[in-house]
Amino acid sequence: DTGVSQDPRHKITKRGQNVTFRCDPISEHNRLYWYRQTLGQGPEFLTYFQNEAQLEKSRLLSDRFSAERPKGSFSTLEIQRTEQGDSAMYLCASSLGAHLAKNIQYFGAGTRLSVL
Amino acid sequence: ILNVEQSPQSLHVQEGDSTNFTCSFPSSNFYALHWYRWETAKSPEALFVMTLNGDEKKKGRISATLNTKEGYSYLYIKGSQPEDSATYLCAPNTNAGKSTFGDGTTLTVKP
Repeated sequence: DTGVSQDPRHKITKRGQNVTFRCDPISEHNRLYWYRQTLGQGPEFLTYFQNEAQLEKSRLLSDRFSAERPKGSFSTLEIQRTEQGDSAMYLCASSLGAHLAKNIQYFGAGTRLSVL
Repeated sequence: ILNVEQSPQSLHVQEGDSTNFTCSFPSSNFYALHWYRWETAKSPEALFVMTLNGDEKKKGRISATLNTKEGYSYLYIKGSQPEDSATYLCAPNTNAGKSTFGDGTTLTVKP
């Protein structure tokens, strides 16, 4: 399978715990994006990377969220001290580049987080 | 943050009906618009990339038009089939490649 893969698919955690999600993009893709999606809404931008550089982080994102892409390949998204409001689907996408057809994003299946 | 609006929020049609939905976005600083289809339990999948005012794209029974001057795009589905049931998302892009997604139109096609 050469698509975008995310792990785990589902995560149930207790409030206050830390969680980490992983995304493996399509291998030749330079861009990697993280989104959060809640019921009835579209994907909400969290952050994105060009290779290993984090280019932008949403102002809506609290300091409890951090993302890395240390070698420009896979990425991790960590949420510290989880809250019930963090319950959502976390989507990862990758693209070849920034421009036009190269920025068609290929999505993973997502990680569904439930905070109890 | 771009204000992207999609309407209607949901749509129920009979098999064979043709349908269309709207995506509205700020016309200033427009760069590109993407349409995605998101089927239940699957990942969002790209349908079209549109860039020029007046652009029309077609893929099978699905087509889209773009008006960058007034800030809207229409997605049309001709002769809807049950397999067209999905949420259709539009996402304007900045020239830096950042996408802002609308909340989508959820289409249900009844056999």
